[in-house]
Amino acid sequence: AQSVTQPDIHITVSEGASLELRCNYSYGATPYLFWYVQSPGQGLQLLLKYFSGDTLVQGIKGFEAEFKRSQSSFNLRKPSVHWSDAAEYFCAVGGAGGTSYGKLTFGQGTILTVHP
Amino acid sequence: GAVVSQHPSWVICKSGTSVKIECRSLDFQATTMFWYRQFPKQSLMLMATSNEGSKATYEQGVEKDKFLINHASLTLSTLTVTSAHPEDSSFYICSASGKLSYEQYFGPGTRLTVT
Repeated sequence: AQSVTQPDIHITVSEGASLELRCNYSYGATPYLFWYVQSPGQGLQLLLKYFSGDTLVQGIKGFEAEFKRSQSSFNLRKPSVHWSDAAEYFCAVGGAGGTSYGKLTFGQGTILTVHP
Repeated sequence: GAVVSQHPSWVICKSGTSVKIECRSLDFQATTMFWYRQFPKQSLMLMATSNEGSKATYEQGVEKDKFLINHASLTLSTLTVTSAHPEDSSFYICSASGKLSYEQYFGPGTRLTVT
């Protein structure tokens, strides 16, 4: 079964500082990986995704993530955080075949607080 | 493009009543729709997957008689919470994906409060 772990429940950074949110996954084959952002009381917005190819993926809002198969990780990064980035971030793994095809399993989420 | 709407955005109902939540894909044909449930400060848990014209597939532990899902057209899926109880209070989010597309587009969610 696929699973996702986000080790950090809450992260606080200063505006302008760099950011890295950790994500580790468990999946039997090459996974489909996603990062979503959720503002309070809102749905999810896709930041970026990895299906195959280049392991460094660029997303919206200046975010990027790197797929590292050897570490089963897909960490999200941003070089300079803006106050508007404060939100909750979810990493997800998608089933690539069989009965799990298309189904997303989400991590527990990381709440990002940005200090001015 | 790829906009998904949900209606209502929030609803309060009395215990024992039923509530229907609509999920619409506004600018694409959604061959598959997913329903998630999110408790406060927790992650999203997949409840069921529905394909247009077929019966929904429910995840383990989800009561199919309590959470009725209908996907009657390529742009509309509904989730009906029957005989709602306070423990059903939650944030319900739908998502949709198109034919030959893996990516899911999420609706804004519906906050259900059962009193």
